[in-house]
Amino acid sequence: ETGVTQTPRHLVMGMTNKKSLKCEQHLGHNAMYWYKQSAKKPLELMFVYSLEERVENNSVPSRFSPECPNSSHLFLHLHTLQPEDSALYLCASSQDYARGDPKNIQYFGAGTRLSVL
Amino acid sequence: QQQVKQSPQSLIVQKGGISIINCAYENTAFDYFPWYQQFPGKGPALLIAIRPDVSEKKEGRFTISFNKSAKQFSLHIMDSQPGDSATYFCAASPNHRDEFDRGSTLGRLYFGRGTQLTVWP
Repeated sequence: ETGVTQTPRHLVMGMTNKKSLKCEQHLGHNAMYWYKQSAKKPLELMFVYSLEERVENNSVPSRFSPECPNSSHLFLHLHTLQPEDSALYLCASSQDYARGDPKNIQYFGAGTRLSVL
Repeated sequence: QQQVKQSPQSLIVQKGGISIINCAYENTAFDYFPWYQQFPGKGPALLIAIRPDVSEKKEGRFTISFNKSAKQFSLHIMDSQPGDSATYFCAASPNHRDEFDRGSTLGRLYFGRGTQLTVWP
C-alpha cells in the first residue's frame, strides 16, 4: 500500500456520460498529479497541483476537468469522452513539487482503468 | 517529442539470468534518473535512482549504470527471479536550467515507454 488510494478501480462509460475519478493521499504531501497511461506509450503528465493550486496543465482537452479541494484529495471530472481516452489513469503525490531533491519521490496509486464505449 | 528513449520494449529472461534495460536521453539539463517498477494492477513504484555525479549505483540485485558522456543509463537485474516479472520504466528529471534545455519543466519526470520483463522459472 503506497498511501495513495484511487477509486473506482474500473470504470466503463459512454461518450455522453459524466463521471469522476477520485484520489486520496494519506502521506501529508503537498503536490498531487494526474497521469494517463496508455499501452506502449510513456506516462503522460496531465495536471499538477501544488498546495491546492493548479501549476501545470499539459494541453489536456477540456473534457477532462481536475479539482483539488484540499491537499489530500484530487478529482478528475470526465464528460463527453472519446474512445481514445480509454486508458489507465494514475494519481501520484509527492512531498513538494518541482524541487531537485531526490527525496521528492512520487508515490502512485493503483490507477483507474477507464473504458469509453 | 519523446525526451527519454527506452529499449527493449519486452524482455524474456531465464531465472538466474541478467536482465538489462537501456535508456537514452538528449537533454543535458536532466540530472535525476529514477527507475520505476510496475506490477499488473498496481501503480509504478520507485525502484532505484541515480544522480550523474556517480557512474553506478547498486541496491541488492538491482544496479544502475550511468554514462554521462553518452547520455545513457541502464538497469541491470542480477540473478533475475520470476517475482521480478513486471514493467520497468526509466525516467529523467531536470532540476536546473541548462542552455541546451529543450523545453523541459523543472522537477517533472519524463518517462520512457516501458519494458515488459518476463522471467521464466
